[in-house]
Amino acid sequence: GENVEQHPSTLSVQEGDSAVIKCTYSDSASNYFPWYKQELGKGPQLIIDIRSNVGEKKDQRIAVTLNKTAKHFSLHITETQPEDSAVYFCAASKGNQFYFGTGTSLTVIP
Amino acid sequence: GAGVSQSPSNKVTEKGKDVELRCDPISGHTALYWYRQRLGQGLEFLIYFQGNSAPDKSGLPSDRFSAERTGESVSTLTIQRTQQEDSAVYLCASSSRDRVIYGYTFGSGTRLTVV
Repeated sequence: GENVEQHPSTLSVQEGDSAVIKCTYSDSASNYFPWYKQELGKGPQLIIDIRSNVGEKKDQRIAVTLNKTAKHFSLHITETQPEDSAVYFCAASKGNQFYFGTGTSLTVIP
Repeated sequence: GAGVSQSPSNKVTEKGKDVELRCDPISGHTALYWYRQRLGQGLEFLIYFQGNSAPDKSGLPSDRFSAERTGESVSTLTIQRTQQEDSAVYLCASSSRDRVIYGYTFGSGTRLTVV
């Protein structure tokens, strides 16, 4: 099966700085890579995703990059704000099931 | 409904009792998933329903866990003879047939505490 690893497990940044979260996956057949943001007491919310035929995708302050050869993908958040503080999960999928990373707890310090 | 609805939001139960958790998916979503999230950990797949097909139960941790879904409607996750290690947030997610385009939509979860 698929194995997704996510790093770091915790990340603290100053407001306005950038944050980068990295994930690796094991199954080269995986073709869809979503990122989820989970705020305290809420379910995960999809924030951005990328498919295997694309190397980079950007949506305002967030971007995702994918390196299929190395089997890793990353989430980049620029100009971080306190409301970006949350747990972020990456996932990899090639079929009906998603395999999630273990999460990164991001704290943005005002 | 507008989102995935789960009930109850919180459940405290005594060890050994049975519990039933409910998930109302987004109307029209054919796929429904249950995940377990232990404190400070990632999402652990439990079971997957797709329309009227046989469910993928490969993630259920023991025979104390079972789930049902009738057609494309409500699903219930039942945990029998609860143990303290069952304490976790149980998340339900649904997706449309165009899963790759829209991804999952998660509910807010049921926080289960076994005392």
